[in-house]
Amino acid sequence: DAGVIQSPRHEVTEMGQEVTLRCKPISGHNSLFWYRQTMMRGLELLIYFNNNVPIDDSGMPEDRFSAKMPNASFSTLKIQPSEPRDSAVYFCASNGVVQDTEAFFGQGTRLTVV
Amino acid sequence: AQSVTQLGSHVSVSEGALVLLRCNYSSSVPPYLFWYVQYPNQGLQLLLKYTSAATLVKGINGFEAEFKKSETSFHLTKPSAHMSDAAEYFCAVSDQRGTSYGKLTFGQGTILTVHP
Repeated sequence: DAGVIQSPRHEVTEMGQEVTLRCKPISGHNSLFWYRQTMMRGLELLIYFNNNVPIDDSGMPEDRFSAKMPNASFSTLKIQPSEPRDSAVYFCASNGVVQDTEAFFGQGTRLTVV
Repeated sequence: AQSVTQLGSHVSVSEGALVLLRCNYSSSVPPYLFWYVQYPNQGLQLLLKYTSAATLVKGINGFEAEFKKSETSFHLTKPSAHMSDAAEYFCAVSDQRGTSYGKLTFGQGTILTVHP
């Protein structure tokens, strides 16, 4: 299996622009998680889905952030409009329903908003 | 709610020395505990996990950790450090079951430096 695939790996955008981050979970996994990593706040959960349905979005910082999972093999995290403080590494992770499984992380997308 | 505290944001050891990275957790229910490693510009890779079976857990690359409920600790150890162990290590806790093992609360991370 190729693992969790995120794109792009790096994104540089100007303040005010829309940014879309993409994630393909591991085939057969039905839970998907978006995390953000910053120096100040460390790793924090933004939102997670189960069977394509958002379960907990309490970590989404504000309305500028939105996430979708239209099918079991694809999710997006969108920031509109972007701000410099959104600069971070965004990770996607997935896991399955089999007992005692762990989350598998993608390589991350490094977002820089200038 | 759960939380994780990693004592020491930076740990430095000599090659061949013992590695000890400390993690204490807080959870209102029996926790599942994880250690992940992150190499520069990479994602997180699972080292080992505790899921209420044996309290001494062995992971990849010679690492192990012991769950101590009385101390609410899950410290990570390796008897002999190798240069390739230099990375950032994260302790994480989950009190979820079933579909939400990936809903993790992470510690702030410990950067391990290994000197020749």
